[in-house]
Amino acid sequence: AQTVTQSQPEMSVQEAETVTLSCTYDTSENNYYLFWYKQPPSRQMILVIRQEAYKQQNATENRFSVNFQKAAKSFSLKISDSQLGDTAMYFCAFRFSGGYQKVTFGTGTKLQVIP
Amino acid sequence: GAVVSQHPSWVICKSGTSVKIECRSLDFQATTMFWYRQFPKQSLMLMATSNEGSKATYEQGVEKDKFLINHASLTLSTLTVTSAHPEDSSFYICSASSLAGLRSYEQYFGPGTRLTVT
Repeated sequence: AQTVTQSQPEMSVQEAETVTLSCTYDTSENNYYLFWYKQPPSRQMILVIRQEAYKQQNATENRFSVNFQKAAKSFSLKISDSQLGDTAMYFCAFRFSGGYQKVTFGTGTKLQVIP
Repeated sequence: GAVVSQHPSWVICKSGTSVKIECRSLDFQATTMFWYRQFPKQSLMLMATSNEGSKATYEQGVEKDKFLINHASLTLSTLTVTSAHPEDSSFYICSASSLAGLRSYEQYFGPGTRLTVT
């Protein structure tokens, strides 16, 4: 079964600085998606960024970008120009492609942006 | 687009009673819905997958007689916690997925339901 590991339970960053959240995963399959979800105090899960495994180009969404290393099974999230609203739990997640597949979540990283 | 709602957002019930949680896809038809459970400061754990018009598929270790899931229409799935006990207190999140129109098979999450059993 696939696993997703986030080794940083908590992190903090100064406002306007850059922070990188780490994620590794394990799978023997070749076709899958990787995600970063944000869960603010409201607990609504918000999709931050999505990466298709077959794409070599790293996904970017405004201040958010990923470093996808398929061979190393690594999928880190970089947040640039951190804002107070970025304070939240961040979950790395994995889903096989093809049909309705469940999402497997990592244990999460609690990010605190300090003013 | 791709809005998923849950009702209620917070429910308190007495031990031994049953409580129903609704998950609705508001602007798309959801062929498949997923139910997750999240304990405080922990990750989301999948409980079951439900497909419209068929029986739900439960993950290992989830009691199907305790957590009844019904997916009667393409826009509504319900989770009923039967004979609730304090250990069932948790945050329950649903997600909905569709083949057509949106990103195929993408999951869109509801805002969650906090269940407190006293």
